[in-house]
Order: sequence, then structure tokens, then C-alpha cells
Amino acid sequence: GENVEQHPSTLSVQEGDSAVIKCTYSDSASNYFPWYKQELGKGPQLIIDIRSNVGEKKDQRIAVTLNKTAKHFSLHITETQPEDSAVYFCAASSSWGKLQFGAGTQVVVTP
Amino acid sequence: EPEVTQTPSHQVTQMGQEVILRCVPISNHLYFYWYRQILGQKVEFLVSFYNNEISEKSEIFDDQFSVERPDGSNFTLKIRSTKLEDSAMYFCASSDLTDNQPQHFGDGTRLSIL
Repeated sequence: GENVEQHPSTLSVQEGDSAVIKCTYSDSASNYFPWYKQELGKGPQLIIDIRSNVGEKKDQRIAVTLNKTAKHFSLHITETQPEDSAVYFCAASSSWGKLQFGAGTQVVVTP
Repeated sequence: EPEVTQTPSHQVTQMGQEVILRCVPISNHLYFYWYRQILGQKVEFLVSFYNNEISEKSEIFDDQFSVERPDGSNFTLKIRSTKLEDSAMYFCASSDLTDNQPQHFGDGTRLSIL
């Protein structure tokens, strides 16, 4: 089955700097890669996703890249703000919407 | 913006008791999911459900678990005889299509087994 690895587990950045989170997956059949943001006491909130026929996608300060050959994908947050502080999860899916999640990255943005 | 709602937010139950977790998916969505997150661990897939049938289930989803869509709006997860290791956060999600379509999550039910 699919296995998703996520690094780093914690990431501390200064406000205004960029943050990068990396994930690798094992199942070459995976074709959908969403990223979720989870704030304390809340459920995962979808922030961006990418499909296997696309190499890069951007939405304002957030971008995701996908390298199918290497089986890894990354989340980039530019110009970080304190409200970006949260746990971020990557996930991969290959069938029936079953999402396999990474272990999460705790991002702390310090003013 | 439409959202997935889950009740209760926190459920405390004695070991061996039955528990039902409730979810109201987004109204025009057709695919429904349950995930769980044990404290400090990954979010884990439990089951997907479409057209009143289970589409896929994980190894975690054994005979103690069942899902149901009792009416046009609710989606429930039942654990028949709870164990201590069932203590976790349970998330419901829904999507309007499977296969590469976004899943929207509720805020979860924290289940504590005593």
C-alpha cells in the first residue's frame, strides 16, 4: 500500500521568510496530492492540491510542486505570517479517494 | 461556505459500550469518509462510502465498526464494543466526486474510552 513520508516534523521560520515542507510517496499509481492545514481544535482544511498531470500549482503565497519520477512533492509558503502557524499535512491518493497522510509538520512563524 | 459538521465534539464512553459518531456531509456531496487520528500520530483512513455501500475500508475497520447513511443528510460511524485503543479523534469528510476530488473535513469528534 501507499506510504507517505513528510519532513521536517517541525519548522520554525521568521515572519516574512519562506517555508518548505517535503513529502515522498511510494505508490506510483498515486495521482492526487492535497495539502491540509490543521489549526488547534479544528479539522484538516484543504489549502491546495495537485494532480499527477501537473508539475506545479500556485495560489497566492502557496505553491506546490510535484516530481512524479522521484515520487516527491513539496509545499512552499512565501512571505510567511503569524497566521500561517499550524500543522500541515501532505497526502496522496490512488483509489476511491482513500487519502494516505504524512505525519504532519508543525510550522511556527515568529514575529 | 458549506461545511461538514460533526457531533458530538467530545464523547466519553466506558470500555465495551457502543458509540455512534454523527456527521452531516456537505449537501450535494456523494462520497463520504471516516478517518481517525490517535494523539501524536498520522491521520489514518478508515472507510469510504458511496451509493449506500462501502467502497473501501482499511485494516483498522474491523467487524466492530460499521457505517450508515440513515437518511438523506446524516452519515454515522458506529463502534460496537469500544476498546481503550479506540480513543482518538475521528474525522468525517465528504467529496462530490471520488478520484482526484477535494475532500472536505469536519472538525472531528474526540472519543475518549475509559
